[in-house]
Formats: sequence, C-alpha cells, structure tokens
Amino acid sequence: GQQVMQIPQYQHVQEGEDFTTYCNSSTTLSNIQWYKQRPGGHPVFLIQLVKSGEVKKQKRLTFQFGEAKKNSSLHITATQTTDVGTYFCAGRWSGGSNYKLTFGKGTLLTVNP
Amino acid sequence: EAGVAQSPRYKIIEKRQSVAFWCNPISGHATLYWYQQILGQGPKLLIQFQNNGVVDDSQLPKDRFSAERLKGVDSTLKIQPAKLEDSAVYLCASSRRETQYFGPGTRLLVL
Repeated sequence: GQQVMQIPQYQHVQEGEDFTTYCNSSTTLSNIQWYKQRPGGHPVFLIQLVKSGEVKKQKRLTFQFGEAKKNSSLHITATQTTDVGTYFCAGRWSGGSNYKLTFGKGTLLTVNP
Repeated sequence: EAGVAQSPRYKIIEKRQSVAFWCNPISGHATLYWYQQILGQGPKLLIQFQNNGVVDDSQLPKDRFSAERLKGVDSTLKIQPAKLEDSAVYLCASSRRETQYFGPGTRLLVL
C-alpha cells in the first residue's frame, strides 16, 4: 500500500541548534500535511503543502514540498525546548478516499536546554 | 469552538474482554476518523465516516473491531474480544475539509 517514510526516527539537539526531518513517498503525492504531537498529547495540525516546490514558513519552521511532489521536509531554526515532540508527515494520493491521510512513523525531537 | 471529545481517557481490560470508546466530533464536521496509534508509531487509520456512511474501513480488523456513527454525529468504536496487541491509543479526529482535528485519545491497556 501507499506509505510515507520518515527519517530520522529520533533526533536529539542542543537548544539553539537546527533540526530537519524528511518525508518520502515512492509515488507522487496529491498533498502532504505535517502534524506535531507533544509527549502524552495528540497530533496537532501544522501545515498543508499542495503545490510542487512549495515553501511555507511559520516563524522558525520552514516546510518544503519537492518539485516531484514525492518528498517533503520540515526545518526548525534555532530549536527551543518548546519544540520537543514527535513530528509526523501525512500524505494523500490521488484516487484515495476523500481526505484520507497516511501518516509516517514520525521523528521524535528532544532538545537539551 | 469546542474540540473533539473522547471518553474514556484510560481503560485497562483483560484479553478476551470487550471495550467501547466514544467520540464527539467538532460541531459541523461531516468527516470522522478513528485511528490506532501504537507506541512509537504514527496514527493508523482504522475507519473513516462521511456523515453516517463508511468511506474507508480497509484497515479495520472486522473480526473483532466495529464502529458506528448512527446519526452522523457521535461515534463509537468497539473491540470484542480484545487481544494483547490491541494495547494502543485510540484517536478520534474530525474534519470539515482537509485539516484533521484530533481528540485527546483513549489509552487502552490489554492485560
């Protein structure tokens, strides 16, 4: 079945360092979403990317969608302890049931103050 | 705007017992989803409803899991009988369009 692969599985950084997580699909995506899940919490929507090559920014977070719409990345500049959590990408493919998302396994980010 | 409500928040049962989870979506959201999230993994879609109709239940273990959304609002997910591998967080989400809003989840432990 269709799936998205996320790397790395874990990332530990010092506060102030940058962080990047990558998401890949073997087939072209219709769109991709990113969610954040704090420890013990539930996934919270961050952003959706739809267009080829799209780049969106939210304060220190930068989201990119590849030209071929098969990969995406989330980059956090100058991490803070509030960034701790698991970041999931979730993909959607053409022809799938309306609004169905397939989540990656996530990247767990820990930040050392 | 009130969020997605779920109950109970925690449940401990023995294997072969039955359990039911309840979800109340955000008002006006036609689409409702049930996910299973095993520790260390991403949410896995079990079933998706559009109003009171099933859109996708391809990953629902139908020999033991069932779900309904009779009036197109609240939904229940049932497991009967439970197995050890069903220990997970069961997340309910709802959407009006493409953004999904998750509830706090029900943490199930099967002993």
